[in-house]
Amino acid sequence: QSALTQPASVSGSPGQSITISCTGTSGDVGAYDYVSWYQQHPDKAPKLILYNVNNWPSEFSHRFSGSKSGNTASLTISGLQAEDEADYYCSSFTSRRTWVFGGGTKVTV
Amino acid sequence: EVRLVESGGGLVQPGGSLKLSCAASGFPFSSYDMNWVRQAPGKGLEWVAFITVSSNIIYYGDSVKGRFTVSRDNARNSLYLQMNSLRVDDTAVYYCVRDLPVAAADHWGQGTLVAVSS
Repeated sequence: QSALTQPASVSGSPGQSITISCTGTSGDVGAYDYVSWYQQHPDKAPKLILYNVNNWPSEFSHRFSGSKSGNTASLTISGLQAEDEADYYCSSFTSRRTWVFGGGTKVTV
Repeated sequence: EVRLVESGGGLVQPGGSLKLSCAASGFPFSSYDMNWVRQAPGKGLEWVAFITVSSNIIYYGDSVKGRFTVSRDNARNSLYLQMNSLRVDDTAVYYCVRDLPVAAADHWGQGTLVAVSS
């Protein structure tokens, strides 16, 4: 199972919006709405920020939003803040009943 | 508060075995499917294994299939990962992860480091 494709890095200024893409195939991202996004700060465990493409865990900021079109999902961070500087990973359920993660995107503010 | 605490990591030689444990608390463990996810040093996340609440359905990632075995003991609120025939590329931090029924991981442990080296 090949990893989902994410850009290696994305940068933006405080207050701006940025978008991270996550491209898979018709056997994973394109087949299900089970796309999730995770934030990971250095030396910390990942945290779930979105599930089912665009649903928030109760404790996470609505500055994060998601979408999906075909085999590509996207994460948009609005009103970029210094604390948003982290690595971001997408994941998807697959037709083989497994999960697959993206390679990760480093966000610099 | 949901807590997942992994243990059992360490240094092992190639070809060796290791068993990881994850102690769960703060939620009804027997009601949640669970996963193991790993992260090699400086690399991205890799899904390893999934187990349902009753252990009747188990899936593995291609890179560990046939070598790793996931299990659980609901009476002890514990998840396990038996790792055999370890290879250098199994070196990673291994995370115990609670599963939402939408293929998402809503709680992660702090991870335990497994280093495979001669």
